Amino acid sequence: DTGVSQDPRHKITKRGQNVTFRCDPISEHNRLYWYRQTLGQGPEFLTYFQNEAQLEKSRLLSDRFSAERPKGSFSTLEIQRTEQGDSAMYLCASSLFGTPYTGELFFGEGSRLTVL
Amino acid sequence: GDSVTQMEGPVTLSEEAFLTINCTYTATGYPSLFWYVQYPGEGLQLLLKATKADDKGSNKGFEATYRKETTSFHLEKGSVQVSDSAVYFCALSYYGQNFVFGPGTRLSVLP
Repeated sequence: DTGVSQDPRHKITKRGQNVTFRCDPISEHNRLYWYRQTLGQGPEFLTYFQNEAQLEKSRLLSDRFSAERPKGSFSTLEIQRTEQGDSAMYLCASSLFGTPYTGELFFGEGSRLTVL
Repeated sequence: GDSVTQMEGPVTLSEEAFLTINCTYTATGYPSLFWYVQYPGEGLQLLLKATKADDKGSNKGFEATYRKETTSFHLEKGSVQVSDSAVYFCALSYYGQNFVFGPGTRLSVLP
């Protein structure tokens, strides 16, 4: 399977703990996005990378959230001192930005976080 | 900031019925517009897109036209099938930067 993969698929943690999610994009894709989705809502933008550079970060994103893409391949999203409001599905998507530009995002199946 | 509004669901139709899911947007510029679909148990996937005013995107019998004058991108299909049951998301983006998604509309098609 050469699609976008995310790990873990489910994570249950206690309030105050740190959690880390990993995303492996489609190998030739240079852009990688993180989104958060809660029940009944559309994906909410968190941040995106082009290669290893983080180009944009949502103003809604707390300082407890940090993302990296150290070698321009896989990415990690860390949430420190989790709160119950962090419970959501965390989605990763990748795309190939270039010419011609198709604008298509390829999504993983998501990592579901439950904070108790 | 930019935003996307969709008609509330769920939408329930009988097989072969006509489908319209309304989408309107608020944008400071001229974004590209997209419809993404999420089938049960799967990740979101692109259904169709339009990059400029009056463009029509189409795929799998679905169509949507970029209407700048009404800031709309309504999704239509002439005859839905049970396999079209899914959640549909309207979205906008400026050349692959931050994609802004609507809340989604759940469609259920009954045999």
